[in-house]
Amino acid sequence: QKEVEQNSGPLSVPEGAIASLNCTYSDRGSQSFFWYRQYSGKSPELIMFIYSNGDKEDGRFTAQLNKASQYVSLLIRDSQPSDSATYLCAVNLGGGFKTIFGAGTRLFVKA
Amino acid sequence: EAGVTQFPSHSVIEKGQTVTLRCDPISGHDNLYWYRRVMGKEIKFLLHFVKESKQDESGMPNNRFLAERTGGTYSTLKVQPAELEDSGVYFCASSQYSGPNTGELFFGEGSRLTVL
Repeated sequence: QKEVEQNSGPLSVPEGAIASLNCTYSDRGSQSFFWYRQYSGKSPELIMFIYSNGDKEDGRFTAQLNKASQYVSLLIRDSQPSDSATYLCAVNLGGGFKTIFGAGTRLFVKA
Repeated sequence: EAGVTQFPSHSVIEKGQTVTLRCDPISGHDNLYWYRRVMGKEIKFLLHFVKESKQDESGMPNNRFLAERTGGTYSTLKVQPAELEDSGVYFCASSQYSGPNTGELFFGEGSRLTVL
């Protein structure tokens, strides 16, 4: 079992729709959870982080964390073509300070 | 403020040769990480420096890989001798914070290594 699992996609949504990206992780002791966006040929950049169960909203982005289910999600409202990228779920295992990444979900937003 | 810089951006070498990748983290960031992405796979952790000390090198594939961070500033990752399976994009990242709630990782653009 991979430590961080994501559906590789591609996920295709029309412009203006809600894109829902999901991630599960295996280490129940994981402390911190991140969503990075990576455009093709570019480096990953952080868009959201969440530490506590529940929802965290930042503009059009909402991160959701359910530690009991070991599940993290990212919702992108009013999706724009510029949101088309690979979204990486990352989990920090705590203690050893290591951040583990999923393989990423490719998102396409159609104009 | 300059971001994380990596050099070279792309290196093509033959099997058995040596390559050295360099990373300059953001000034003041004590934490420096090396990751590798092989095509189609996840970004895999290689190792973590706190200043000049190796905090965690559990992800280093084998003893052909050697990372250093002399003086706690820039870091180098040497692959010697390179094998075909070492091909991929090597990312360096730095961060200001550490601990259970590790802060944001700032990534460099990556060094693409192709071993022929």
